[in-house]
Amino acid sequence: GAVVSQHPSRVICKSGTSVKIECRSLDFQATTMFWYRQFPKQSLMLMATSNEGSKATYEQGVEKDKFLINHASLTLSTLTVTSAHPEDSSFYICSASIPAGKTGELFFGEGSRLTVL
Amino acid sequence: AQKITQTQPGMFVQEKEAVTLDCTYDTSDQSYGLFWYKQPSSGEMIFLIYQGSYDEQNATEGRYSLNFQKARKSANLVISASQLGDSAMYFCAMRDRLTGGGNKLTFGTGTQLKVEL
Repeated sequence: GAVVSQHPSRVICKSGTSVKIECRSLDFQATTMFWYRQFPKQSLMLMATSNEGSKATYEQGVEKDKFLINHASLTLSTLTVTSAHPEDSSFYICSASIPAGKTGELFFGEGSRLTVL
Repeated sequence: AQKITQTQPGMFVQEKEAVTLDCTYDTSDQSYGLFWYKQPSSGEMIFLIYQGSYDEQNATEGRYSLNFQKARKSANLVISASQLGDSAMYFCAMRDRLTGGGNKLTFGTGTQLKVEL
């Protein structure tokens, strides 16, 4: 079946640095990808919708300049956490959907656990 | 706006028994989709089952079945013959439209299931 891969799975960085997380669809083209954030023992909260070739659509309360999203190709979306601080520590997970006509499941990446020291 | 409610933060079930995880939803849309995902401690999101709002039959996938009661706006997950490997967090989610590209999910708060010997 369709596979979505995320990298890195774990990252530890110093406060003030930027971290890039990649989300790739491995065997299908994803015109739309979604980025979620999950705090420990909590639900997934949608951060933004990443659209290939256009600007991402951010959910209310999500800082665009803090969480930069780039969807440069049909198989790759990246999330960059800029000037990371300890409160940005979280589990970030992406998902991708197959374009129109497919009403089944979304495919999720393995997730990336970010720890900011 | 869509809302998903999971009222059971934690559930215990004995191995080989069946268990029902509750999910209610609220939406003004006529066309929507309901999902259940399993999230083990590793963090990956595993798709379990999908129910479209216009599907007349309740969805089934192996040991998973969805008890869809549209008038009550509930979509409970039933896991039959529980196994130790079923211990995980379970999320109910809703997609608000079924047209192409509209796969943004709203998640419930999750139910932590523990299967005991």
